[in-house]
Amino acid sequence: EVQVVESGGHLVQPGGSLRLSCAVSGSTFSDHHMDWVRQAPGKGLEWVGRVRNKINSYTTEYAASVKGRFTVSRDDSKNSVWLQMSSLKSDDTAVYYCATSYPGSIFDNWGQGTLVTVSS
Amino acid sequence: DTQMTQSPSSLSASVGDRVTITCRASQDISNSLAWFQQKPGKAPKSLIYAASNLYSGVPSKFSGSGSGTDFTLTISSLQPEDFATYYCQQYKTYPFTFGPGTKVDIK
Repeated sequence: EVQVVESGGHLVQPGGSLRLSCAVSGSTFSDHHMDWVRQAPGKGLEWVGRVRNKINSYTTEYAASVKGRFTVSRDDSKNSVWLQMSSLKSDDTAVYYCATSYPGSIFDNWGQGTLVTVSS
Repeated sequence: DTQMTQSPSSLSASVGDRVTITCRASQDISNSLAWFQQKPGKAPKSLIYAASNLYSGVPSKFSGSGSGTDFTLTISSLQPEDFATYYCQQYKTYPFTFGPGTKVDIK
């Protein structure tokens, strides 16, 4: 069984930075692309960004709303992926989910989410 | 960006009902369409990918169809555990985009 566990959510001031972590077990982590999806309170789902697998050179993609402020990275030796967030705004307040995506599929497994609150 | 719309935005149904939710993409996405179920306070659960393929462990009462711009999710016989919000999502082009959701509640 694949397990996805996020951590690092916190209260942070506007303009601040935060790094979220995601650990994956029970799968061949290196085969998967890894995605972050967020959900603001009472709102729908929003895709945030992706880091592709090794075969695809670990390249990244981002939503326009976070491009230049957020960075997705991974370490296959640690079965982990991170979301580095900077210049945080109140609009970034959300539950952030990490998800595995096997090539040809999407969001096969989800974590439980971690809450990020941006407020003074 | 590819815009996703869903209809209806909400519906009320009874246990045993057949329920159909429609999703439309603003441009051709072939079959790069997924469906997710979400209950309050919980992470989304993946139901269908590639428009019609069930994820492992998803019961066969869920089915998906469509290609191009028009897609449907059908629940053949609604059960109490199926009352939730359902989202469609395209992964043909970046940025990946979700529909606004369809809330299914008890009549």
